[in-house]
Amino acid sequence: DQQVKQNSPSLSVQEGRISILNCDYTNSMFDYFLWYKKYPAEGPTFLISISSIKDKNEDGRFTVFLNKSAKHLSLHIVPSQPGDSAVYFCAAIHSGTYKYIFGTGTRLKVLA
Amino acid sequence: EPEVTQTPSHQVTQMGQEVILRCVPISNHLYFYWYRQILGQKVEFLVSFYNNEISEKSEIFDDQFSVERPDGSNFTLKIRSTKLEDSAMYFCASRADLITGELFFGEGSRLTVL
Repeated sequence: DQQVKQNSPSLSVQEGRISILNCDYTNSMFDYFLWYKKYPAEGPTFLISISSIKDKNEDGRFTVFLNKSAKHLSLHIVPSQPGDSAVYFCAAIHSGTYKYIFGTGTRLKVLA
Repeated sequence: EPEVTQTPSHQVTQMGQEVILRCVPISNHLYFYWYRQILGQKVEFLVSFYNNEISEKSEIFDDQFSVERPDGSNFTLKIRSTKLEDSAMYFCASRADLITGELFFGEGSRLTVL
């Protein structure tokens, strides 16, 4: 039951260019979405979130876009830096409930 | 900055042994979680805990697993009789309330079952 999907297992981008990570979901009850970054042998680190009442949220180099009709969200990182190389997970939750559902992750490699 | 802390960072155990993983959530948070990640796989929900009881659990969280908040600060995950397939990274996480959406994770405890 994969309610949150990240169809690209990996992505390589040149330093300074834009990284676009994609996430799709199937459960229309989800109304809060988050992106996490994870380095090997470390816990996921919260990056940015978006509520379903918005279609865009920006924080520095990170912007998350939400397309509710397509049940799709994306994370844009610009400009990409080598330190951004990590696995990125999207997660979704129906507010007022407890369970966050995570995608399978996309490994981003930023090439210097 | 407040953070979730977990101990031990790595535990090696024999199959059939009991394991307790410990977590100290962020102090003013009310909701506590355990997730796990088997090597190379997705981050999987195990259990959520609020007001001294389980609020939700997954099908993975069977009778071998239990959680407890023995005092005002610690939150533990016990695996009664470990199996080889329990080998994974176990992440504790906490959340301030049901309105604030962000879930904050600890660094994880790596469990290796031999």
